[in-house]
Amino acid sequence: EVQLLESGGGVVQPGGSLRLSCEASGFTFSNCAMTWVRQAPGKGLEWVSSISPSGDSSGYVDSVKGRFTLSRDNSKNTLYLQMNSLRAEDTAVYYCAKANIAAVGVRSGLDSWGQGTLVTVSS
Amino acid sequence: QSALTQPASVSGSPGQSITISCTGTTSDVGGYNYVSWYQHHPGKAPKLMIYEVSNRPSGVSNRFSGSKSGNTASLTISGLQAEDEADYYCKSYRSSSTYVFGSGTRVTVL
Repeated sequence: EVQLLESGGGVVQPGGSLRLSCEASGFTFSNCAMTWVRQAPGKGLEWVSSISPSGDSSGYVDSVKGRFTLSRDNSKNTLYLQMNSLRAEDTAVYYCAKANIAAVGVRSGLDSWGQGTLVTVSS
Repeated sequence: QSALTQPASVSGSPGQSITISCTGTTSDVGGYNYVSWYQHHPGKAPKLMIYEVSNRPSGVSNRFSGSKSGNTASLTISGLQAEDEADYYCKSYRSSSTYVFGSGTRVTVL
């Protein structure tokens, strides 16, 4: 059974940093592109960032470019999202998700999701 | 990076069919056959319902179907059931390894 377990959320002041982790099990992590999606309170889903299976390629939504860095450690089956210079508008539940078809990547959809971790940016 | 346009809400009676639209541009929906659809019950993890415009993952009811015409993709739910009441989001590839979700549609079963 595929499991994705996010951690690292919490309350942080504007300008602060947090690192989210997503521990994966039940599939070959090193073969799968991974993604972070967030949902701000009362808002819709927003794609944040995706990374290739090897970690050599990634993409970001414009609003987090230069502030967030996505990485992965395939030896630990873990995905990381380093979030710096946090803003109030980054407040959201952050979900980790895996690509549906390994060979196609995130373009094939996101077939397994974690339960999410809440990030609150507030003074 | 503006969201794809979806109707805020769609409703129907049990047994009816409803269709949710997802409108983008030639840079996303219209340019690629990489549209997926997600069902999201509040407080739960989203669920993949359709991928690559019209493909259903195993385990998803065949009451759910997807299509695309030009810059607009659509999700149709036939034989509407109470458990279909949820938020639905489309997602499209948008080039250079970026993606965009739709604004979301609340489906209400009357």
